[in-house]
Amino acid sequence: EDQVTQSPEALRLQEGESSSLNCSYTVSGLRGLFWYRQDPGKGPEFLFTLYSAGEEKEKERLKATLTKKESFLHITAPKPEDSATYLCAVQAPGGGNKLTFGTGTQLKVEL
Amino acid sequence: DVKVTQSSRYLVKRTGEKVFLECVQDMDHENMFWYRQDPGLGLRLIYFSYDVKMKEKGDIPEGYSVSREKKERFSLILESASTNQTSMYLCASSFSGGARETQYFGPGTRLLVL
Repeated sequence: EDQVTQSPEALRLQEGESSSLNCSYTVSGLRGLFWYRQDPGKGPEFLFTLYSAGEEKEKERLKATLTKKESFLHITAPKPEDSATYLCAVQAPGGGNKLTFGTGTQLKVEL
Repeated sequence: DVKVTQSSRYLVKRTGEKVFLECVQDMDHENMFWYRQDPGLGLRLIYFSYDVKMKEKGDIPEGYSVSREKKERFSLILESASTNQTSMYLCASSFSGGARETQYFGPGTRLLVL
């Protein structure tokens, strides 16, 4: 059974204080790893897809990296508007387009 | 831009009522999905569909059914609502194949069953 574990559950940062969120996964043959951002009361918003170990993708202050067992979402010099819940999901082969989600990291960036 | 819309943002229903949640996407996506999201449990897949009139059970299909009569529309049906179906319901859609399989989500429907 595919499993996704995200840590920490919650993270509080000061504005400008860089940090990383972790997504550990167990899947038989990763087909893709997805990062989403979710604001309170809204649907998840797509950020990145990573397909193979060593791959990196960047968007503004966010950078996602992938190894064979985990992915990191690095947040550089965060701003209050980066406050949200960040979700990680994995896609395994043979399961169609099904995703298995972690429970998310709730990030709060304070002034 | 991909647009996935859901028929209601908030719904309040009574136990035993039949509830319809509707999702529409405008990107000609083959795949459509229904999830529920609960605190501490994350997103869990209820049903998904690869094509019109086609459906597959997800991880928690009990108490739910779905309908896909047109490519752009995917409905979730609670046959007899119960209090344990109070949740946030999220619809998503995607293309099939390779790098285009990213799922795009709607805004969600928060359902309260009394």
